[in-house]
Amino acid sequence: NAGVTQTPKFQVLKTGQSMTLQCAQDMNHEYMSWYRQDPGMGLRLIHYSVGAGITDQGEVPNGYNVSRSTTEDFPLRLLSAAPSQTSVYFCASSYRGYLTDTQYFGPGTRLTVL
Amino acid sequence: DQQVKQNSPSLSVQEGRISILNCDYTNSMFDYFLWYKKYPAEGPTFLISISSIKDKNEDGRFTVFLNKSAKHLSLHIVPSQPGDSAVYFCATRRPSGTYKYIFGTGTRLKVLA
Repeated sequence: NAGVTQTPKFQVLKTGQSMTLQCAQDMNHEYMSWYRQDPGMGLRLIHYSVGAGITDQGEVPNGYNVSRSTTEDFPLRLLSAAPSQTSVYFCASSYRGYLTDTQYFGPGTRLTVL
Repeated sequence: DQQVKQNSPSLSVQEGRISILNCDYTNSMFDYFLWYKKYPAEGPTFLISISSIKDKNEDGRFTVFLNKSAKHLSLHIVPSQPGDSAVYFCATRRPSGTYKYIFGTGTRLKVLA
């Protein structure tokens, strides 16, 4: 199993550009989520999905879109990149279980917006 | 407002000694807590968890203690090893039952050889 994979590992964008961060998992997990990590802020939830076709907002959703057409894939779209979106982005997945769900994280995408 | 707080940004411990990492939370409705470890340039990895029906959970060198009345949990690592040097995050779920996790800001542990 590859687990959770993310592409690209690094990306530099100019302000106003759009792009999609890819995330895929091969563990048949229902739940997937996107986080951003900023210095001194920990991990903050951007969007999450509890299954194909179902998505919802996290703490910091503005400027990002998601969709979940398959169980395996959960791409994150930046509509018009801003310097404030410079961050490290992590995708995670887990199976749904009460008091047993633990998330498996991808290796991250380091994004710089100039 | 920060609902999960890790007040110590960093901690240094001698190899072989005990490392104690602390986490405070604000909402007594949180019912499940997790600790993750993160190495540089990698994603966080799950370490240990505890539900609110317990006050202690142990896994090898790692023990998590939960004090519900104080809204406090701690992670004990005994004995500490240089490979434990990493950033540790505590996390919990929003009490609504949705899968919306809240993470603390992390504590960087350095184990000195």
